[in-house]
Amino acid sequence: AQSVTQPDIHITVSEGASLELRCNYSYGATPYLFWYVQSPGQGLQLLLKYFSGDTLVQGIKGFEAEFKRSQSSFNLRKPSVHWSDAAEYFCAVGDHNNNDMRFGAGTRLTVKP
Amino acid sequence: DSGVTQTPKHLITATGQRVTLRCSPRSGDLSVYWYQQSLDQGLQFLIQYYNGEERAKGNILERFSAQQFPDLHSELNLSSLELGDSALYFCASSEAGVVGNEQFFGPGTRLTVL
Repeated sequence: AQSVTQPDIHITVSEGASLELRCNYSYGATPYLFWYVQSPGQGLQLLLKYFSGDTLVQGIKGFEAEFKRSQSSFNLRKPSVHWSDAAEYFCAVGDHNNNDMRFGAGTRLTVKP
Repeated sequence: DSGVTQTPKHLITATGQRVTLRCSPRSGDLSVYWYQQSLDQGLQFLIQYYNGEERAKGNILERFSAQQFPDLHSELNLSSLELGDSALYFCASSEAGVVGNEQFFGPGTRLTVL
């Protein structure tokens, strides 16, 4: 079965600084990869997804992620973080054989003024 | 607002009891997913329904069951509740129920078992 690892439980960055959140996956074939964001007290919202094609995908709110097969990674990036980006971020991998979706443990982002 | 509604927002009950959580998917979405989010287990996929039929099963306990009705709303039934069942339960919906479809999440139901 597929699995996802988010090595960083908590990250703090200053407003305006760049951001990279790490995600490593384990899956036998080409995975379906997702990044979701969860603001306090809210459900999850999809930021971006990768299925195939261009390995650099653009998402909402200025986020992008790069799929690197050789490293089994799908890291999320943003060039300049805003205070409103403070939230919990989840990487997920989907298995297109059984519709199963596995989420990472999440990375909590704190933004310093 | 994702268009997915969940009721109730909060539920407090005692061990051994049974509760029902309700989810209404976005208009037009045929598939409903249930997830459990807890501090120790993280976000866990429980079960998926598509157009009334079970499509995928994750880490759902035997004490838990779900169904999707003809009007496409779904209910998650949790019985013989234990302290460890305290968690945030999310429902999500998607258009066609395949893993590539975007899932739209509801605001969740927070269950507290005392």
